[in-house]
Amino acid sequence: DTEVTQTPKHLVMGMTNKKSLKCEQHMGHRAMYWYKQKAKKPPELMFVYSYEKLSINESVPSRFSPECPNSSLLNLHLHALQPEDSALYLCASSPGRDTATYEQYFGPGTRLTVT
Amino acid sequence: GQSLEQPSEVTAVEGAIVQINCTYQTSGFYGLSWYQQHDGGAPTFLSYNALDGLEETGRFSSFLSRSDSYGYLLLQELQMKDSASYFCAVRSRGQNFVFGPGTRLSVLP
Repeated sequence: DTEVTQTPKHLVMGMTNKKSLKCEQHMGHRAMYWYKQKAKKPPELMFVYSYEKLSINESVPSRFSPECPNSSLLNLHLHALQPEDSALYLCASSPGRDTATYEQYFGPGTRLTVT
Repeated sequence: GQSLEQPSEVTAVEGAIVQINCTYQTSGFYGLSWYQQHDGGAPTFLSYNALDGLEETGRFSSFLSRSDSYGYLLLQELQMKDSASYFCAVRSRGQNFVFGPGTRLSVLP
């Protein structure tokens, strides 16, 4: 099973709402990632978890809060977002951080719209 | 920091061969990867080069020259389903995994 699942597929939220994105993998991978992708742009790395510990935060605003409850799950908690945060949010995993270059699997993404 | 450059668009016809170039600047280097992304889809891994030379995987090949900080993805026997965006990506020591700006490939009948 080389699948990374993400829920929900689509999310519309107001600027005062609190919501969460979920990501799950059962490949035994120990590194998990959140990316943000705007239309016609490349994915931009937001956070990296390695062995369930946050190892990289790419200066992401605090209205995005990641959480890794266990080695298979990754959440992204959203609060007080802005319309410019509307994007496709991709989760990915790899066996380890060192293998991110050649063995990174992406989920289908959550299409987020902030109104 | 890291920076990558790719052509923004490439057009070719079915059955043809197309090459997508990527140049990069990075401190330290762990390898160059290529990903494909169809509209509305997730990026999928295509190929990876850590050392100089050509790697072949079916219709796709990827080349790396570390001395020139340059690589390319070669797609042979193009099919309509190859129409997608193609990203090169690098990770260097102590740096994060960074994607290039992407090349949109259009395959015409």
